[in-house]
This record gives sequence, structure tokens and C-alpha cells, in this order.
Amino acid sequence: GAVVSQHPSRVICKSGTSVKIECRSLDFQATTMFWYRQFPKQSLMLMATSNEGSKATYEQGVEKDKFLINHASLTLSTLTVTSAHPEDSSFYICSVFLVGEYTEAFFGQGTRLTVV
Amino acid sequence: QKEVEQNSGPLSVPEGAIASLNCTYSDRGSQSFFWYRQYSGKSPELIMFIYSNGDKEDGRFTAQLNKASQYVSLLIRDSQPSDSATYLCAGLYNFNKFYFGSGTKLNVKP
Repeated sequence: GAVVSQHPSRVICKSGTSVKIECRSLDFQATTMFWYRQFPKQSLMLMATSNEGSKATYEQGVEKDKFLINHASLTLSTLTVTSAHPEDSSFYICSVFLVGEYTEAFFGQGTRLTVV
Repeated sequence: QKEVEQNSGPLSVPEGAIASLNCTYSDRGSQSFFWYRQYSGKSPELIMFIYSNGDKEDGRFTAQLNKASQYVSLLIRDSQPSDSATYLCAGLYNFNKFYFGSGTKLNVKP
């Protein structure tokens, strides 16, 4: 099956700095990747859809200037949390869809971001 | 966001019992539904998917879908302590987006 690699798994940064999270599709080319955020004891919330070669589509309420998404190749999407604040501390997960007889979502390992 | 609802639990069952997890959804436009298991601090992993009305069985797991009533359920037979995790129900909408329920925490007691 598809393998999605996400890096880093954990990051601690100072308030006001920026953090970049990478998501790689290892087994197949992905024109679309998805970014989710999960706060403690809450579900995955879709943040944005990353489209290769074009602008990302953000869900309502997600600040596109704060969460910069770049999908420069068919195997790599990056999420940059700019000017991070403690309230941005969360678990960020990327996902890739495999469309065949049925559609299945494969997830990266997730990135635990802590802003101090 | 499309609405997918779950009881947050925790649901506690003794080892060997049947665990029943339920999910309701509000949008009839969803095509299929997925159950994911998530251990603390880890990413979700797929257990089963279902897109037709009725039951679908895979080992100790049975997924049930009732589109008229808009609910999905997951039954876990012969529950094991290793099944203790949070179970997420997700709906696929427009063939290109997953929306997740809040998850149900399951505790299987030895």
C-alpha cells in the first residue's frame, strides 16, 4: 500500500518563529494532499487541500497567510506555520488519497508542534 | 465542515465482549464511510470502509451502514486490550474529502 512520510515527528519552537513540516508520498505520485490538525482529545480537522502546481484550497476559518502550503512536486507537500504562537500547538497530519476501486486515505506519522 | 458525529465515550467493555461503536452523519451526499483506529500520539490507521447498505465483515470487525437512517457502526467481537484506542468514523464527500467524527475512546479491560 501507499506510504506517506511526514517530517519532523516532533518540533518545539519559540513563539514568533516559523516551522516547516514536510509530507512525502513514497509509493505513488499525489496531485492532491490534505493537511489536518488535531487538538488534544478532538478529531482531525481538515485545514486545507494541497494541489500540485496550483494554490491550496483552505477550509473556512483557516488563515492561508499563516499556514502556507506548497505542493511543488507530485511527491512533496509542505506546510509552514508562520509566526507561530502557543495556540498553534497541535498535532498536524498530512494525508494522501489512493483512488481505485474505492478511495482510501493514507496518513503521515504526524507532527507534534509545541510553541513555547 | 460536513457533520459526522460520534459519542466521545469512553466506552468500556470487558475482554472478550463485543464493542459497539456508532456514528451518525448529516449529509446524504457522502459516498462511503471509514473506520480508523488511532492510538494516542499516533496517526489514524484504517480498519474498514463501507459504501453499501448492510453489513461488511472482516475478521473480528463488522461495519454496518444504514443510509436511510444515516448511521454507521463498527462492531468488534472478542475485544482485546490491544483494541483499546480511539476510533474515528469518517465520511468521504464529493469523492475528494474526508470529514472525521470526534472519535470514541474504547477501553477493553482485561
